[in-house]
Amino acid sequence: DIQMTQSPSSLSASVGDRVTITCRASQSISSYLNWYQQKPGKAPKLLIYAASSLQSGVPSRFSGSGSGTDFTLTISSLQPEDFATYYCQQSYSTSCTFGQGTKLEIK
Amino acid sequence: QVQLQESGPGLVKPSQTLSLTCTVSGGSISSGSYYWSWIRQPAGKGLEWIGRIYTSGSTNYNPSLKSRVTISVDTSKNQFSLKLSSVTAADTAVYYCARGNYNWENAFDIWGQGTMVTVSS
Repeated sequence: DIQMTQSPSSLSASVGDRVTITCRASQSISSYLNWYQQKPGKAPKLLIYAASSLQSGVPSRFSGSGSGTDFTLTISSLQPEDFATYYCQQSYSTSCTFGQGTKLEIK
Repeated sequence: QVQLQESGPGLVKPSQTLSLTCTVSGGSISSGSYYWSWIRQPAGKGLEWIGRIYTSGSTNYNPSLKSRVTISVDTSKNQFSLKLSSVTAADTAVYYCARGNYNWENAFDIWGQGTMVTVSS
């Protein structure tokens, strides 16, 4: 299996901050990397697919970059509704895998 | 727009088989560049992919669960289903069904709301 490692596991930030979450794959996955946002009690929501493509309806303050093994999710200016848990997911291999999640909390 | 809804028992006894169904509404399960997956999440933990099915009936499973998982599709009912045998307390989780999109690097673009399944006697 391809292992996905996110950092940090948790992060405290303030409204208006710029935040970056990192995801590293245990082997190259080209651009087969997707990002999801999950709020408590809710299903995950797709934010970014193919490493850098913004899902329709997702605010432009969210952006993704990277290829190969190293990827980032950036939120340019945190809004109150952005406090949630974020997961990366590789869809390169037949058996897809998720990162362990990054919990973004209000400072 | 397409919506997914999970259904099935919320309580399953140890050693028995967990059975869930995902109903697809607002579109045909057979149309477009999609496949259909099950994903689970134990309380307070991360997401674990269980498996996928294509409308051809072809399947792929998580190697760690492969011996216990069966996913099937009923295109006439616009549904796909999950069976997980020989369950233990470790299988207690929220179970989600989700649509995978070939055109978007296989990302899961639509999710059901999730259903909680508890394994307990």
